Formats: sequence, C-alpha cells, structure tokens
Amino acid sequence: DADVTQTPRNRITKTGKRIMLECSQTKGHDRMYWYRQDPGLGLRLIYYSFDVKDINKGEISDGYSVSRQAQAKFSLSLESAIPNQTALYFCATSESGQKNTEAFFGQGTRLTVV
Amino acid sequence: GNSVTQMEGPVTLSEEAFLTINCTYTATGYPSLFWYVQYPGEGLQLLLKATKADDKGSNKGFEATYRKETTSFHLEKGSVQVSDSAVYFCALRGYSSASKIIFGSGTRLSIRP
Repeated sequence: DADVTQTPRNRITKTGKRIMLECSQTKGHDRMYWYRQDPGLGLRLIYYSFDVKDINKGEISDGYSVSRQAQAKFSLSLESAIPNQTALYFCATSESGQKNTEAFFGQGTRLTVV
Repeated sequence: GNSVTQMEGPVTLSEEAFLTINCTYTATGYPSLFWYVQYPGEGLQLLLKATKADDKGSNKGFEATYRKETTSFHLEKGSVQVSDSAVYFCALRGYSSASKIIFGSGTRLSIRP
C-alpha cells in the first residue's frame, strides 16, 4: 500500500459543484501539503498544515479550503468548482523540525471541471 | 521570500548524451535542496538531495552539487537513457523549522533512442 493515498484518482465535476479531495498517510508525519500542478507552472502550494491545529494558506488558496481531521488525514475542498481549477492535485507529507527532510507525494488526483 | 528558478523545457536529447538541467535559488540562510522526478502518470519522487554547501547529491547516475556562491543546484547525468524521460523539479526547503517546500516550474526531458 502507498504511504500517501489520494482519493479519488480522477474526477469530473460540473461548474458550481462542491467537491472534496481526500488524502491519508501512514508515514506518521506531522506536516501535510496540498499542491496544484498545471502545465508550465510547476507545483504551486494551496494549503499546508504543520499539525492538526495548524493550517496555513499557500500561494493560491483562493477558492479552496482544507480540513485536517487527524494527523493522518488532510482533505481539500473546492466550495464551488470553476473550470480554471481543472488541474492535477497532489498531497504531500514531510517530517517536522528537520530542514533536510524531503516531501513524500501521493499519486495525484486529476480534476476536470466542465 | 524563497524561490526556485529552473531552465524551461522541453529538453530533447539522444540516448547517451550528457544532461544538464539548471536550477538556481533565492533563500536566506542555508536551505536544503532537492531534485524530484515525475514519470508519466505518477506522483513526484525524490531523486536526490543536498543539505549544506558543497554537498553532492547522487542517485541513479544523476548528480547535483550545492553551490552556495552561485546559489545553484544543477542536475547532471553523463549518459542519459530513454527511461530517464520524465519531468524534473528542483525544490528547496528553508532553514527555519517553519519553512515549507518550494518547487520550480519543472523541466520536461525527452530522450530519443
């Protein structure tokens, strides 16, 4: 089983619908992240959480919200989806405290808003 | 704030060619530096890392040296293979315990047989 699991892997939704992307991890890491990948723009940080009670906005948080339900779970919601939110979304985790530790990624969720 | 700039792609090379993908960064203090690789249809996975100046990270024939004086972390491989075709991301994590991981825009590499 994957250490970082994202569900669903693919989703097509209509404009205006609310949608939730889920992420769970078995690595025991405190830190979790949501990124968005668009062609030519790399990965942009949407939200990140350093522990269950700590949620922070990233560079492109408008139109998104998150919930850290437990150490192992971090979900991303689009309250009212719009077509320019069509993208590949990645969840990632990392250890806290050590600057040299890398991030571990899920397989991604491909979201299409029509 | 911290930032990462890497060369734009796509980069197309013939098999066994020498590869360089440039990456430069802006950060205060001494960040940790990473290269990630994304194969088609997959998530990102760590390729190599370096945590202090002059460190060399290496893996699968790829190398990158942390150059503080030029704020660079260029990725190199002496002889590329078709299986190296992927998107490569340079990334950094700042020295502060509150730092998050910042990624470059990615470079798509295609290797011709």
